[in-house]
Amino acid sequence: QVQLQESGPGLVKPPETLALTCSVSGGSISGYYWTWIRQPPGKGLEWIGYIYYSGSTKYNPSLESRVTILVDRSKNQFSLKLSSVTAADTAVYYCARLRQLEIFDYWGQGSLVTVSS
Amino acid sequence: DIQMTQSPSTLSASVGDRVSITCRASQSIHNWLAWYQQKPGKAPDLLIYKASILESGVPSRFSGSGSGTEFTLTISSLQPDDFATYYCQQYSNLWTFGQGTKVEIK
Repeated sequence: QVQLQESGPGLVKPPETLALTCSVSGGSISGYYWTWIRQPPGKGLEWIGYIYYSGSTKYNPSLESRVTILVDRSKNQFSLKLSSVTAADTAVYYCARLRQLEIFDYWGQGSLVTVSS
Repeated sequence: DIQMTQSPSTLSASVGDRVSITCRASQSIHNWLAWYQQKPGKAPDLLIYKASILESGVPSRFSGSGSGTEFTLTISSLQPDDFATYYCQQYSNLWTFGQGTKVEIK
């Protein structure tokens, strides 16, 4: 059973860079697409971007200028960086597996990141 | 951008009720639609994909239908474990979610 676990700071100051890591266990990161999704408190879900195990990426156009997603196959991890954060970036950040570029079938438990000075 | 609109936003129902949630896309997405269930403090769980295909392990009381721009998630007999928020998600062009429908106890 594939399991994902987010890790990183829970508090980030504006306009610094938010950085999270997703560790994948129970299966290899190779051969799959991996993604980040966020959910502001009490609100809906927003897709941030994905990375293929080979390193190719695609980002949400609304966030593209601030987002970088990287993969580290040696550690079976992938990561998210979101620059120039504001309070609007406060959210629970989920990592997930993107099955066949269609649906999100395995999710991490989520990591709340609060942006505040 | 493809916008997804769910209705209702909140649904009050009792155990045993048949409930339906509607999801409308701003343009045709064929059948590239998934449904997720989310409980408080938890990540969403995949229920249905390609509009009507049940994910492995999901109870058969859940079903999905529709194509083009209008889709429906139906729970045939609501169980206590089903009180949650449900999201539709299109994957015809990138990935966007509806705003969610909360199913609460009547």
